[in-house]
Amino acid sequence: SQTIHQWPATLVQPVGSPLSLECTVEGTSNPNLYWYRQAAGRGLQLLFYSVGIGQISSEVPQNLSASRPQDRQFILSSKKLLLSDSGFYLCLSGGKIYGYTFGSGTRLTVV
Amino acid sequence: DQQVKQNSPSLSVQEGRISILNCDYTNSMFDYFLWYKKYPAEGPTFLISISSIKDKNEDGRFTVFLNKSAKHLSLHIVPSQPGDSAVYFCAAIKIQGAQKLVFGQGTRLTINP
Repeated sequence: SQTIHQWPATLVQPVGSPLSLECTVEGTSNPNLYWYRQAAGRGLQLLFYSVGIGQISSEVPQNLSASRPQDRQFILSSKKLLLSDSGFYLCLSGGKIYGYTFGSGTRLTVV
Repeated sequence: DQQVKQNSPSLSVQEGRISILNCDYTNSMFDYFLWYKKYPAEGPTFLISISSIKDKNEDGRFTVFLNKSAKHLSLHIVPSQPGDSAVYFCAAIKIQGAQKLVFGQGTRLTINP
């Protein structure tokens, strides 16, 4: 079975500062990788997904970007954080064979 | 365009009774559906899934039903336990093609003793 490592667990960042969240996957190869955000009291919003190295699809125009430099590494970044970027960020890895598994999430608070 | 909808934001059920969580979808091309359970400040955990070629899948206390003609799926939990109190998300995906996993808004289930 696959294991999703996501860090950090919590993060408090000032407005205008950069962001880098990392997700790595073990136990599978060539997974589909996704970044979701759950804002307070809301559902899961798909931000980016990737079906392979260097292949990124963006779902929502925003202040964030994603990269997949290696098969099992997915990075969420921002050059300048906004207050509206606060939320709970989740990495999801999956495919038909291994199923779809979430990481433990990162609670980002922009102050 | 909300392709996957959970129209009940919350549900309250007595311990020991059946909990039924509902989910509707609009895209007939979805061919795989999943249910996740989420506690506060944690990542969602996978509960159960169903392929579009089936109409029922059962795993212990959890059963998922799929009605393709109605584009509706439901999760049944029997019997409901206090530890089942959480937010439940349904999700759908079209395995061939873009493979985006689309989630509903979630339903908060509260099991009362």
